[in-house]
Amino acid sequence: QKEVEQDPGPLSVPEGAIVSLNCTYSNSAFQYFMWYRQYSRKGPELLMYTYSSGNKEDGRFTAQVDKSSKYISLFIRDSQPSDSATYLCAMSGTDSWGKFQFGAGTQVVVTP
Amino acid sequence: GEEVAQTPKHLVRGEGQKAKLYCAPIKGHSYVFWYQQVLKNEFKFLISFQNENVFDETGMPKERFSAKCLPNSPCSLEIQATKLEDSAVYFCASSHPVNTEAFFGQGTRLTVV
Repeated sequence: QKEVEQDPGPLSVPEGAIVSLNCTYSNSAFQYFMWYRQYSRKGPELLMYTYSSGNKEDGRFTAQVDKSSKYISLFIRDSQPSDSATYLCAMSGTDSWGKFQFGAGTQVVVTP
Repeated sequence: GEEVAQTPKHLVRGEGQKAKLYCAPIKGHSYVFWYQQVLKNEFKFLISFQNENVFDETGMPKERFSAKCLPNSPCSLEIQATKLEDSAVYFCASSHPVNTEAFFGQGTRLTVV
């Protein structure tokens, strides 16, 4: 079983809808949680970075971390066709900074 | 610079040849990480540096892979005697102090033929 589980999708939503993405994990040592967006043949682009449990909002993006359930989420409001990409969750423990465990990535398609 | 710069973007090597990839971290970032992305999304950690010192090398296939981060030079990842299975996109990332945001470069696509 992988340390980080993420549904690969594809997840298809109409323009303007809320996109809901999530990851589950098994390692309780994870403290740092990140969401990246990756377009085809490009590098991962950092969207959200969260430490420990709680919510964080940045523009159209909201990240939630529930360490008690080992579950993290990313919500994208007012989705646009330009949001069509693969979304990756990544996480790390304090002692293993930089050795991120990535989810498999969820492909999101926002249709006009 | 304001972004992680990786060169070259594409690299083609015959099996058995050497491949060398470069990464210039964001100015002021002291941590550098290398990842290998195989298949569509599977990221494999290779090695991390804190300045010029190896921080964690548990992901490195040591028999053919080596990496360096020297002062005032781009970091490098070198693969001796490449194999077909080394074909992948290699990403470099950097962060300021430990446990802060990590930013990735655009990757080097290595094709071994």
